[in-house]
Amino acid sequence: GQNIDQPTEMTATEGAIVQINCTYQTSGFNGLFWYQQHAGEAPTFLSYNVLDGLEEKGRFSSFLSRSKGYSYLLLKELQMKDSASYLCAFMDSNYQLIWGAGTKLIIKP
Amino acid sequence: ETGVTQTPRHLVMGMTNKKSLKCEQHLGHNAMYWYKQSAKKPLELMFVYSLEERVENNSVPSRFSPECPNSSHLFLHLHTLQPEDSALYLCASSQEEGAGGNTIYFGEGSWLTVV
Repeated sequence: GQNIDQPTEMTATEGAIVQINCTYQTSGFNGLFWYQQHAGEAPTFLSYNVLDGLEEKGRFSSFLSRSKGYSYLLLKELQMKDSASYLCAFMDSNYQLIWGAGTKLIIKP
Repeated sequence: ETGVTQTPRHLVMGMTNKKSLKCEQHLGHNAMYWYKQSAKKPLELMFVYSLEERVENNSVPSRFSPECPNSSHLFLHLHTLQPEDSALYLCASSQEEGAGGNTIYFGEGSWLTVV
């Protein structure tokens, strides 16, 4: 079967670093996406990983290990505006997106 | 502005009403989607259209009826809904459907409350 899991909520401090984990199980895999969704707004694309390793994009980085069924989103130098939900999704063998329930990240001053 | 616009942003309707949600994408994409987002649940894919043809219907109740008159517009017609249908309905588009690395772009959603 297929499943995907990420923590429901995390709290971090402004200026710090936070890592949001995502684990998945699937027989077919065509990449993993991270999206950011501020309350009441559209989810916006952050990253796509299809090969193992770390992809860095400014303050945000995304990591993938296909053998472990594991990804993480790393946010550095946290700012208050980073308070949002972060959605993890993998693309299965039929190119359908399977979504996690999202991680609500709370940033405290 | 996201390139995908949805109207109305908020809708309250009774269980006997008929209403429609509208979506328009300005990105030149060939695929459009309807998703349902409920609190603390994963996004649920409802319908997929590729080049104006429906390619996915994930066992959605018939009280939800999609319409795609052209590749830029997508509607979701609603009738005799139930209170459990109250949710955020997200429209999205992508360059193509069924391809690796296919990034989906979302609209800001229509908050639906069924009373």
